[in-house]
Formats: sequence, C-alpha cells, structure tokens
Amino acid sequence: EVQLVESGGGLIQPGGSLRLSCAASGFTVSSNYMSWVRQAPGKGLEWVSVIYSGGSTYYADSVKGRFTISRDNSKNTLYLQMNSLRAEDTAVYYCARDLTVTIGHYYYYYGMDVWGQGTTVTVSS
Amino acid sequence: SSELTQDPAVSVALGQTVRITCQGDSLRSYYASWYQQKPGQAPVLVIYGKNNRPSGIPDRFSGSSSGNTASLTITGAQAEDEADYYCNSRDSSGNHHVVFGGGTKLTVL
Repeated sequence: EVQLVESGGGLIQPGGSLRLSCAASGFTVSSNYMSWVRQAPGKGLEWVSVIYSGGSTYYADSVKGRFTISRDNSKNTLYLQMNSLRAEDTAVYYCARDLTVTIGHYYYYYGMDVWGQGTTVTVSS
Repeated sequence: SSELTQDPAVSVALGQTVRITCQGDSLRSYYASWYQQKPGQAPVLVIYGKNNRPSGIPDRFSGSSSGNTASLTITGAQAEDEADYYCNSRDSSGNHHVVFGGGTKLTVL
C-alpha cells in the first residue's frame, strides 16, 4: 500500500527548531518529487517546499532561509528541518508525492496524489 | 510569483450540477489539479492533467480548462461532496514553486 506517515510535530517556542519526518511505504521517495504543504488553522493550503528526484530543492518565499527539505534514501523518509520558527508557521504540515514529470527542460504537472495524515506544529510561548 | 483565485463559497442543490472555477496566469502553461478536503482530513486529489481521475474518484467529477481558467464540475452532486476544494498548479514564473488557490467551500443543499 502506498502511504506517507508524518511525525515530529509539537509545541515549540518562537525562535526554536523542529524536524518533521515523513516515512514512505509502497514507493521510493528518491525516485519522486516530494513536497511539504501546510495549512494554518482555518486557512487554505500553502505550498512550502519541494525536493526533486535529482536532489534540487525549492522553497516558498515565506520559509526560504529558515526551512530545509531533505531525504534519507536508506530510510525512504522525507524531512523538513524548521529553524527560527515564528507564530505564523503554526499549521498542520503535510508531506505529499508530487507527480511532476520532467522531459528535457519542460515540466508537466499532474498534482499531488499521495498525502500523509499531517502533523501539527504550534509555535507559541 | 503566480496566484490562483477561487470563489470562497459555492452551493448546489442535491443532485444538481456545480462548477467550481480557478483563475490564474499559470493555468495558461500548466494543468490545474483539484483536491477535495473534508474537515480534519488530508486533501485528496480528485482531478489531474487534462481531465483525469485517480482510482476511486467517482466519474461525476470532471475537469476542464480554457485560457487562464480551470474548472471542476460535479455532475449530480451528492451530500458527501460537501467539502473544501482547492486547485493548484506549478508557478509559471520559472521559480519551481507550486501554487494553491484559496479554496472553495462547497455546500450541498
């Protein structure tokens, strides 16, 4: 069964750090594009970051320089290291498999087909 | 960066047809994908590509696109279709970002 399971969320003070994990089963993380998406309480979905199968990484402007996406191929696990956390980072964080297909210099986007159940991050003093 | 715009709320009578729209410049370059999210649950992909449904998604869900507007149509809406719906696509500005619309709350009357 294809599945993603997030962990690592919790209550953290402003300025603190947290590392989220996303364990995959049924497919290989390193062979896919993988994204983190968050949802603040009562708000919509916000894309956070993506790691390509080739290893390139990209970030939303709101987290660039503070968050780092990575993966451990041996554990088939995706990570999101979050530093310098702010109150506005409070959200449910989801990992998702991204179905982008790259052919040469062209990208064909087919959405995110597998999502984890989410892990809650609360930044508060 | 690109933005995607959705109507905040739409309602439909049980069994009728409803169209949810998404507008943005990135849709001229990339297909929109559509997600259904019910309270307390993770989003579920319902439409991707030109008009494709993942396995398990009922055929009453369909997608279309014209210019900078993508649409999700539910033909014969059911009570269980009441949910938030989000569109998304790649950002067309070349920054490798992904963008989501603000979401549409669908109420089935």
